[in-house]
Amino acid sequence: EAQVTQNPRYLITVTGKKLTVTCSQNMNHEYMSWYRQDPGLGLRQIYYSMNVEVTDKGDVPEGYKVSRKEKRNFPLILESPSPNQTSLYFCASNPLGLAGFTDTQYFGPGTRLTVL
Amino acid sequence: QKEVEQDPGPLSVPEGAIVSLNCTYSNSAFQYFMWYRQYSRKGPELLMYTYSSGNKEDGRFTAQVDKSSKYISLFIRDSQPSDSATYLCAIFKAAGNKLTFGGGTRVLVKP
Repeated sequence: EAQVTQNPRYLITVTGKKLTVTCSQNMNHEYMSWYRQDPGLGLRQIYYSMNVEVTDKGDVPEGYKVSRKEKRNFPLILESPSPNQTSLYFCASNPLGLAGFTDTQYFGPGTRLTVL
Repeated sequence: QKEVEQDPGPLSVPEGAIVSLNCTYSNSAFQYFMWYRQYSRKGPELLMYTYSSGNKEDGRFTAQVDKSSKYISLFIRDSQPSDSATYLCAIFKAAGNKLTFGGGTRVLVKP
């Protein structure tokens, strides 16, 4: 089954404690991205990657890091989480190009992060 | 100014009514206009997309784009309780594979 998996689904942590949210896809997609979703703000892109070892900042990258060492995995790293990073996070993957976004884009189930 | 603006709602309608959702955007370079539906505790799923001014229909859903006004709309006819969700507009720019979302409108269809 084609899917994007995220772990953990729920996480409560404290300020400053490094954490990683994993994202994995089994569809051999080139493009992967991370979004955060906050009430009234929709989804805002944090980072994206167009292929292995190719990553770039989205609209709200401050406080986050990513890596793309393998095509299937795209972990999101919070080196020193702060309360303003409390949010719902989604990973997504698709092939490059318009058809990738319209026909074969998959979102993960989301990770709800609370930073105290 | 946000690149894509969307009224957050909530929008509450009786079953069978027409749901009307709108977004405005600021960048004329945007090329493709998309609507997503997101159920509670789920990721967004694409409903439909269009790239030209005018209407596009898909079953009970109609997407409308007015590029001169930078205004996009989604209409849901004969709304059902199962249409209760958050609807997000998004705009795609092919250069850079850039997808920009609006804030989402929460819709509640009451039986």
